Amino acid sequence: SAVISQKPSRDICQRGTSLTIQCQVDSQVTMMFWYRQQPGQSLTLIATANQGSEATYESGFVIDKFPISRPNLTFSTLTVSNMSPEDSSIYLCSVAQGRGPYEQYFGPGTRLTVT
Amino acid sequence: GENVEQHPSTLSVQEGDSAVIKCTYSDSASNYFPWYKQELGKRPQLIIDIRSNVGEKKDQRIAVTLNKTAKHFSLHITETQPEDSAVYFCALFPTRMDSNYQLIWGAGTKLIIKP
Repeated sequence: SAVISQKPSRDICQRGTSLTIQCQVDSQVTMMFWYRQQPGQSLTLIATANQGSEATYESGFVIDKFPISRPNLTFSTLTVSNMSPEDSSIYLCSVAQGRGPYEQYFGPGTRLTVT
Repeated sequence: GENVEQHPSTLSVQEGDSAVIKCTYSDSASNYFPWYKQELGKRPQLIIDIRSNVGEKKDQRIAVTLNKTAKHFSLHITETQPEDSAVYFCALFPTRMDSNYQLIWGAGTKLIIKP
């Protein structure tokens, strides 16, 4: 499976500021996904980022709050804008790879704390 | 929309015993059912998956069974070891046209292996 890295691994940010999280893959992938995971909870999909098209956001997530870039087939960024303490969470990118579009592999995650 | 119910939320078993986690779903057209293991502070890792044309799949001490008629699938871990302690998530791929290739996730099961 692909090797996926994320930067930063963790950060503590002030409310009202923005943080951009980077996701880098060592091979070209068509579909990338951004998830949020609250402590002790399941994974919640924020958006799907496909190269060459606008990101598709899930219900409850909007582009103004979580802008996403996908400039090429190995890289994506997620920005958490105008942060509030409720945005404190782990943010994970994943890629679809393998025998079909379904198999997803995850990056190590970014632990965000907003104070 | 489609959802997945996962039970139990917590499972404590004696080392060496077997553990079984079950997920039920409603969309009979779902055709891909992965299981992920997430150790504390780590990323979710795909450990086994099954497609709808197969009833059972094994990989060493883990196995997944699928009952499409009853719409449930289960993860079986035999001869449990301390390193099996983790949170396990089931997921499925819905086949509706607007799924955008996203996985639907269960709530997770915390598996505790008692020495």
